[in-house]
Amino acid sequence: GQNIDQPTEMTATEGAIVQINCTYQTSGFNGLFWYQQHAGEAPTFLSYNVLDGLEEKGRFSSFLSRSKGYSYLLLKELQMKDSASYLCAVRETNDYKLSFGAGTTVTVRA
Amino acid sequence: EAQVTQNPRYLITVTGKKLTVTCSQNMNHEYMSWYRQDPGLGLRQIYYSMNVEVTDKGDVPEGYKVSRKEKRNFPLILESPSPNQTSLYFCASSLRHSNQPQHFGDGTRLSIL
Repeated sequence: GQNIDQPTEMTATEGAIVQINCTYQTSGFNGLFWYQQHAGEAPTFLSYNVLDGLEEKGRFSSFLSRSKGYSYLLLKELQMKDSASYLCAVRETNDYKLSFGAGTTVTVRA
Repeated sequence: EAQVTQNPRYLITVTGKKLTVTCSQNMNHEYMSWYRQDPGLGLRQIYYSMNVEVTDKGDVPEGYKVSRKEKRNFPLILESPSPNQTSLYFCASSLRHSNQPQHFGDGTRLSIL
C-alpha cells in the first residue's frame, strides 16, 4: 500500500497564495494527481505530474519531486470559490489503482 | 454529455437487507472503480475493474461485491449491509492510460441502521 500525507486544514485570505504539500511513500510510482472537491460534491481533476518539475495551469500549479516523494499544489490569487478540499492521489506502477490522501480543507476568507 | 451516473443518490436502509448501487458511464472508459469516503480517512478504494469481466480488490473490499458484465456498468453490491458501511460512495471511470484522470459520479450517501 501507500502512505500519503497532507495537512488537514489551511486558511488563507482572498487574493493570497496557498501551497498544499503532499508527501508519499511508495514501492513504485506512476504519476500523481490533484483533485478539488467542494463540500457535498464529486472530486474534479486539477492536475497531473509524472516527471519532476512544475506544471502550470492558470492560477493553479503543481510540483513534483520523485526523489523526495513530494508534491505541492500552489493556488494563486485565491478566490472565495477556491474554498474546498484538495486531494492528493498517487498511482502505483503497473497498476491503475489510485491511492488518495485524506485531503486538505482550504478556507478562503474575505 | 460525458458523465458517470450513480443511483440512488441517497438511501437509508436496515442491517442485512441486500442493496445494489448502480454506476454507469457513457465515455467508453475501460477502467472503473468504487470508493468510499469517510471523515478523516479520505477516499478509499473498494474494488476496481480494468475491463469487462476483470475486477480486483482495492484497499477495503470486505462486505462488498462488484461485477463488470458490460463496459459501461459497474454495480456495487452489499449482500448484508452493516452500520459500518454507512458512508459516502463514489464511482469513477477513466481511459486505460496511466496519465488519464478519473471522472467521478455525484456520489451515493448510504445510511445503514
